[in-house]
Amino acid sequence: GAVVSQHPSWVICKSGTSVKIECRSLDFQATTMFWYRQFPKQSLMLMATSNEGSKATYEQGVEKDKFLINHASLTLSTLTVTSAHPEDSSFYICSASGLAGVRDTQYFGPGTRLTVL
Amino acid sequence: SQKIEQNSEALNIQEGKTATLTCNYTNYSPAYLQWYRQDPGRGPVFLLLIRENEKEKRKERLKVTFDTTLKQSLFHITASQPADSATYLCALRGSSNTGKLIFGQGTTLQVKP
Repeated sequence: GAVVSQHPSWVICKSGTSVKIECRSLDFQATTMFWYRQFPKQSLMLMATSNEGSKATYEQGVEKDKFLINHASLTLSTLTVTSAHPEDSSFYICSASGLAGVRDTQYFGPGTRLTVL
Repeated sequence: SQKIEQNSEALNIQEGKTATLTCNYTNYSPAYLQWYRQDPGRGPVFLLLIRENEKEKRKERLKVTFDTTLKQSLFHITASQPADSATYLCALRGSSNTGKLIFGQGTTLQVKP
């Protein structure tokens, strides 16, 4: 139980294009989803927290107009990196927590490797 | 500011021995402390959660202790196996409803056959 998927697992794009990453909770309802970024040999850095049906809360220093988050249903959240640049290249990971049984714990997706040329 | 410290140096042990990883924190009073395993190029996998009023938690070969006075958690893997080789992350969560986790930088464990 508590499986979270991400799509795509990797993506390569040209500078200036936008990239959308999907995060799905497969067997539970995720009331809250989190988006993280991880650079090589560094820990996970929280980018934003999103609750179903409401606007995401962004961490300090994260541009909300660049990293668009949508959490339209209890099983799906999307992160769109707009006008991507090489410095946005990173490993993006989502996590989800939900209702009873999975409330206290975040379950992570497998991650999406973004490379911007 | 809140700080979580895990030993940044890799831990190398022989198969069959007990691995002990340390997580220390400052300027924080977590309600929960969690341990995750992360393999290269993969997302973290949840292992154990321990609450502030719990001293110890076990799950199969894993054991976690939580000392809120020392502000420290120890993570033990008994009878270690090469398949246990990975990076182990400590994460703290406060009592608010946001559910936000703060992660340590992780300790890489290498179990040699």
